[in-house]
Amino acid sequence: DVKVTQSSRYLVKRTGEKVFLECVQDMDHENMFWYRQDPGLGLRLIYFSYDVKMKEKGDIPEGYSVSREKKERFSLILESASTNQTSMYLCATHFGYSGNRARGYTFGSGTRLTVV
Amino acid sequence: GESVGLHLPTLSVQEGDNSIINCAYSNSASDYFIWYKQESGKGPQFIIDIRSNMDKRQGQRVTVLLNKTVKHLSLQIAATQPGDSAVYFCAENRGDMRFGAGTRLTVKP
Repeated sequence: DVKVTQSSRYLVKRTGEKVFLECVQDMDHENMFWYRQDPGLGLRLIYFSYDVKMKEKGDIPEGYSVSREKKERFSLILESASTNQTSMYLCATHFGYSGNRARGYTFGSGTRLTVV
Repeated sequence: GESVGLHLPTLSVQEGDNSIINCAYSNSASDYFIWYKQESGKGPQFIIDIRSNMDKRQGQRVTVLLNKTVKHLSLQIAATQPGDSAVYFCAENRGDMRFGAGTRLTVKP
């Protein structure tokens, strides 16, 4: 089974800090995604990447950036954390497309970030 | 705009009863849907999927029904157990994922 590992389960950071959320997958998948999950809003796509050093903005990229230096690792960066970025962050990956369908979509366990 | 959503935010059922969780979608061109289960403190886990050329698909204790006419999807859980307590999402897979807000299922003993 694909394993998607998020390095921290819980994080507490101060406003203005630079925050790194790490995601590592062990199955050589090319496609990786970062979502945030908020009550009543579901999962919203922040950024995604289809290859090393490649990144694309999702629906809510403001206040975030990403890094994909190696295929297995996709990092989400909060340049200057704010309280409205308190949320659950989920990393996901899949191994390709069958027609237009993503195959093998797998999530990490999530990082609950609190910005104080 | 296009959206994937759920009718009810919470559902409470008695242990042993059947549960039905509903989902509406608005993109009539969507042809593949997935149900996920998310337990507290965990990431979403795949439950079952269905393609638009099907009306029904069954798994172990779960059944997904797709009504393309009214753009409605449902997840049925038979003989609901305490371990089924979780948040359930439908997702529309169009290459990237579009999720609803989720329904929290609570199973009462």
